[in-house]
Amino acid sequence: EAGVTQSPTHLIKTRGQQVTLRCSPISGHTSVYWYQQALGLGLQFLLWYDEGEERNRGNFPPRFSGRQFPNYSSELNVNALELEDSALYLCASSFMGQGADEQYFGPGTRLTVT
Amino acid sequence: DAKTTQPPSMDCAEGRAANLPCNHSTISGNEYVYWYRQIHSQGPQYIIHGLKNNETNEMASLIITEDRKSSTLILPHATLRDTAVYYCIVRPTLAGTYKYIFGTGTRLKVLA
Repeated sequence: EAGVTQSPTHLIKTRGQQVTLRCSPISGHTSVYWYQQALGLGLQFLLWYDEGEERNRGNFPPRFSGRQFPNYSSELNVNALELEDSALYLCASSFMGQGADEQYFGPGTRLTVT
Repeated sequence: DAKTTQPPSMDCAEGRAANLPCNHSTISGNEYVYWYRQIHSQGPQYIIHGLKNNETNEMASLIITEDRKSSTLILPHATLRDTAVYYCIVRPTLAGTYKYIFGTGTRLKVLA
């Protein structure tokens, strides 16, 4: 069974640019979660999508946005990049996003903003 | 959201049991305890979770105290590949609140 996949693996952007990160969940999983892990810091919850709808949002500005497609894959968009957006962006998926369903994480996309 | 407290680092000899404690004194009745680990900037890996009872799987055992205010993750025979940051997370099961809140975790170093 294929795990959660993310693309690209690495990305370098300049301040002010926009970036799109992609995530494909495990087959059968309908929920996708996005997390940010800045260097030396813990994982911060960004967004949760389930059945195409945004269900919950972390404490991030509106320039962080995303969407979930009918096949349950997801995109994370970051506009007007700032230097502090440099981080590992992790995507996780779970089945139906309910109760005790564990989340399975992808390998992440490392974004560097210069 | 309940917060967790973990020691920042621990060492364990290879082949010995690694016991990683977690304090979650403000946990509420509908919150599960989850354990994940992250090996050097890879995506976190699910280990185990529980609500009230002790749990065991092929990776580890989870011991939850009767008052649910603390728990211990046990890796029965630690190997060098178990060196990682281990996160203890409590997560509510109420609709709309399924996000994980990661703390700083415990950096476990398994020594040869």
